[in-house]
Amino acid sequence: KQEVTQIPAALSVPEGENLVLNCSFTDSAIYNLQWFRQDPGKGLTSLLLIQSSQREQTSGRLNASLDKSSGRSTLYIAASQPGDSATYLCAVSGGAQKLVFGQGTRLTINP
Amino acid sequence: DVKVTQSSRYLVKRTGEKVFLECVQDMDHENMFWYRQDPGLGLRLIYFSYDVKMKEKGDIPEGYSVSREKKERFSLILESASTNQTSMYLCASSSLAGGPGEQFFGPGTRLTVL
Repeated sequence: KQEVTQIPAALSVPEGENLVLNCSFTDSAIYNLQWFRQDPGKGLTSLLLIQSSQREQTSGRLNASLDKSSGRSTLYIAASQPGDSATYLCAVSGGAQKLVFGQGTRLTINP
Repeated sequence: DVKVTQSSRYLVKRTGEKVFLECVQDMDHENMFWYRQDPGLGLRLIYFSYDVKMKEKGDIPEGYSVSREKKERFSLILESASTNQTSMYLCASSSLAGGPGEQFFGPGTRLTVL
């Protein structure tokens, strides 16, 4: 059974810092990996989707990498801003149209 | 932009009531999903559908049913609401083309069962 872990559960950094969020998964037979952002009380916003054949994807200040063989993904946020404060979730798809989610990392950017 | 809408942001119901949660997507996606999200338990899949009138059980289908009569609409039904179904309910959709695609989520419905 696929399990997804995100460490740390919470992270607080000063504005302007570059930071990395981590995601690991136990079964490397994934189809793709998706990173989401969730603001309190809201739905999930898709940030990046990485197919299993890709190593990384970039969108603006965000860069996500995937190392399928080691079961790891990272989300790099450059020049963090207070508006980046949110919970970040990663999820993997094993090909059955279903996503398995991590518990998320709650990120706080301090002005 | 993909848009997934849910019928209510907040809902308060009484134990034993029948509850309908509606989800509509405007991107002609084949797949639609219902999740619930609870503190400490994360997101859990209740049901999903990959075509009209088709449904598959997720990880926690007990106490729920679903209906998909039209491609754009996926309904979650709580036949007899109970207090342990108080939760945030999230709907999502994705395209089937080329394998599992990017999932897009609605804003969520916060359901409280008294």
